[in-house]
Amino acid sequence: SQQGEEDPQALSIQEGENATMNCSYKTSINNLQWYRQNSGRGLVHLILIRSNEREKHSGRLRVTLDTSKKSSSLLITASRAADTASYFCATDVGGAGNMLTFGGGTRLMVKP
Amino acid sequence: EAGVAQSPRYKIIEKRQSVAFWCNPISGHATLYWYQQILGQGPKLLIQFQNNGVVDDSQLPKDRFSAERLKGVDSTLKIQPAKLEDSAVYLCASSPGYANEKLFFGSGTQLSVL
Repeated sequence: SQQGEEDPQALSIQEGENATMNCSYKTSINNLQWYRQNSGRGLVHLILIRSNEREKHSGRLRVTLDTSKKSSSLLITASRAADTASYFCATDVGGAGNMLTFGGGTRLMVKP
Repeated sequence: EAGVAQSPRYKIIEKRQSVAFWCNPISGHATLYWYQQILGQGPKLLIQFQNNGVVDDSQLPKDRFSAERLKGVDSTLKIQPAKLEDSAVYLCASSPGYANEKLFFGSGTQLSVL
């Protein structure tokens, strides 16, 4: 079963608009990561937020984490056509023998 | 620095045949992962190595899938015999340390089982 579930499953916006994707998870985590996947390619790590952090920024990306609601959001500001991709959240529960579990992804299309 | 290398890029086989995938992680990376990604879904972990030891293989269908990481570097994933439902992209990833942080992914091997 998947620990993280993204919402929405698909999102279509115009270039210049902001895109917000949400991730909900079920059990306590050590950290949560966001990855991007362009069509036919591998995943690329975007940002990691730890369980004791509430917000992180990286360029046009802003990630928030609410551990009380077991949810995270990824905001991409001033989107570009090149941001068109699938975005996945992944959760790590920590501890020995833990695994990084991915959600089903949000498919983002940015129209020029 | 060179990324994670995978081969082949594409593979088409018939059911009940066998197939093998190869992965060369980033030099010096301790942890290596094999993920299966079915079309339209997120990646699902099959097996995770730290150096040449298995950390987790709980989701690996061991009756048909096997994997090894020789000398803690390259890795191969084998399916024998393949089933139709094994059609997917097989992604290899590596990370520098022992924590599951910032994985580097290869481009994957797209497997079609006919």
